Amino acid sequence: DVKVTQSSRYLVKRTGEKVFLECVQDMDHENMFWYRQDPGLGLRLIYFSYDVKMKEKGDIPEGYSVSREKKERFSLILESASTNQTSMYLCASSRRGANVLTFGAGSRLTVL
Amino acid sequence: ILNVEQSPQSLHVQEGDSTNFTCSFPSSNFYALHWYRWETAKSPEALFVMTLNGDEKKKGRISATLNTKEGYSYLYIKGSQPEDSATYLCAFMGYNNNDMRFGAGTRLTVKP
Repeated sequence: DVKVTQSSRYLVKRTGEKVFLECVQDMDHENMFWYRQDPGLGLRLIYFSYDVKMKEKGDIPEGYSVSREKKERFSLILESASTNQTSMYLCASSRRGANVLTFGAGSRLTVL
Repeated sequence: ILNVEQSPQSLHVQEGDSTNFTCSFPSSNFYALHWYRWETAKSPEALFVMTLNGDEKKKGRISATLNTKEGYSYLYIKGSQPEDSATYLCAFMGYNNNDMRFGAGTRLTVKP
């Protein structure tokens, strides 16, 4: 069964901490995405990558960075976590083109 | 920022009712429109990928139509069941882009 695996389901961090959210897919997909989901706002795109070492900003990249050193892994980094980054983070991947996204289970981050 | 809008934001119907909701998106630069179903505590799952103006897709009691010239898609559910309760998301992909922009979703609750 194909999978997108997010490393942590729940995290609690303190303001100012560096946070890594890891995402691994086993489908050889070219595209990978990071979204955050907040009530009433749907899924907002943070960053995406369409190839190894390539990254593009989404709609809300401020306060985040990403790393795609290998095709199967796309990491989201919060350099200095803030309380307004408390959210559900979803990783997804897809083949290049109009193909469907396969989502991970999500990582719920709380920043105190 | 590309505007993908969904209406209504939430919907409560009785079991057996038929219902529909709307996704509007930029009519220029269209490449694909996706519909996803997102149940509580699960990951979003793809329902339909639509690429051609006039497309109609059907899966069981759920169907969708697409009008790329005017920038909207409708999702229909015939004879709603409690298990249809979920948030329904649409996502827009523009031509020459690899990113997917989501609407805020329509949260459907079907009462037995």
